[in-house]
Amino acid sequence: DAKTTQPNSMESNEEEPVHLPCNHSTISGTDYIHWYRQLPSQGPEYVIHGLTSNVNNRMASLAIAEDRKSSTLILHRATLRDAAVYYCILYSLSFGNEKLTFGTGTRLTIIP
Amino acid sequence: GAGVSQSPRYKVAKRGQDVALRCDPISGHVSLFWYQQALGQGPEFLTYFQNEAQLDKSGLPSDRFFAERPEGSVSTLKIQRTQQEDSAVYLCASSLAFQGAAFFGQGTRLTVV
Repeated sequence: DAKTTQPNSMESNEEEPVHLPCNHSTISGTDYIHWYRQLPSQGPEYVIHGLTSNVNNRMASLAIAEDRKSSTLILHRATLRDAAVYYCILYSLSFGNEKLTFGTGTRLTIIP
Repeated sequence: GAGVSQSPRYKVAKRGQDVALRCDPISGHVSLFWYQQALGQGPEFLTYFQNEAQLDKSGLPSDRFFAERPEGSVSTLKIQRTQQEDSAVYLCASSLAFQGAAFFGQGTRLTVV
């Protein structure tokens, strides 16, 4: 499985944007970039995913580098409820191989 | 139901006891996954079903772990002769096939004493 590299932890002030980086230099052409987050005592929650183009949804934006070797999850205005562990995952759509392989993620702390 | 439901939420088992953990996926979701999460770690893949077919069980740590999904809906993860190292949160997730966005339950926290 292609691996991702994320900082162990980050801090951000409340109501400011947050940029969470992820490196995936061994990404293959068919790998999608997925982001999940896990709040304390909860299961992981899907945030966003993309292949080549930048993506936006109600939760966040995903900026993907042109060479696809890195990506950035952007929370436009962090709230205290965004404090969680954020996982960047490469996901390959192939029959019988749908599993998501989690790393250790980035623990995001929001400062009030 | 509206989301993935797991039961029980908490389970305490004596070492050597057998346990069964249940997962009710979102209705219509073809794919179902089981993960194990130790304290402070990311979830580790255990096994994966597409409908009733178990397509990947490469993550099951030993032959004491067994999962089934006989009718392609509800799934059960069974752990025989539990050991202390089995203590973890067991997460279930479901998704539409090949859609990528998986929906997770809240997990079952298993403590083996």
